[in-house]
Amino acid sequence: GDSVTQMEGPVTLSEEAFLTINCTYTATGYPSLFWYVQYPGEGLQLLLKATKADDKGSNKGFEATYRKETTSFHLEKGSVQVSDSAVYFCALSDSGSARQLTFGSGTQLTVLP
Amino acid sequence: ETGVTQTPRHLVMGMTNKKSLKCEQHLGHNAMYWYKQSAKKPLELMFVYSLEERVENNSVPSRFSPECPNSSHLFLHLHTLQPEDSALYLCASSRTSGSSYNEQFFGPGTRLTVL
Repeated sequence: GDSVTQMEGPVTLSEEAFLTINCTYTATGYPSLFWYVQYPGEGLQLLLKATKADDKGSNKGFEATYRKETTSFHLEKGSVQVSDSAVYFCALSDSGSARQLTFGSGTQLTVLP
Repeated sequence: ETGVTQTPRHLVMGMTNKKSLKCEQHLGHNAMYWYKQSAKKPLELMFVYSLEERVENNSVPSRFSPECPNSSHLFLHLHTLQPEDSALYLCASSRTSGSSYNEQFFGPGTRLTVL
């Protein structure tokens, strides 16, 4: 079945550092890929998405590129802020449908001032 | 209220209690979801309702019983739970068009502790 593997956390960075959170997936067909973020005490929010190979999703300075050849969707940000401290989830959905989302286990990011 | 709301935010119950979790969405969506989020485990999809009909039931024990009376409300009825059921229960909603489901919007969750 489908699966998503994320780098284990926690990740601790200083403000303005470069961030990479690795995500690889296993799926049949051509899934859509997502990054969700969960701030303390809140539900998950969609951060960005990509629906086909070589698509780049971007939002709030975060970027991720759908790499079919390496089955990866790594999350990057050039300069993190304290307010980016949260748990980040990589997820995929069946091709053509977002009904069944398969999530990774999440990566806790803490950004220190 | 906007978005997806869940009540209560925190719940402590004994194994013999019966309680219900409530979810309400104010987004005009027509699909709703229950997820279980346990520590150090991926989110687990429990149930999906589309147009008030259950379309997914991922091998969830019968001590969890969902109810979707209309497209804006979703309940999760709980009875005779086990301590391992302690988790954050997240509700989500989305818009569907035929067999295509769009982005899911999540509520803040109910933190459940079973003693």
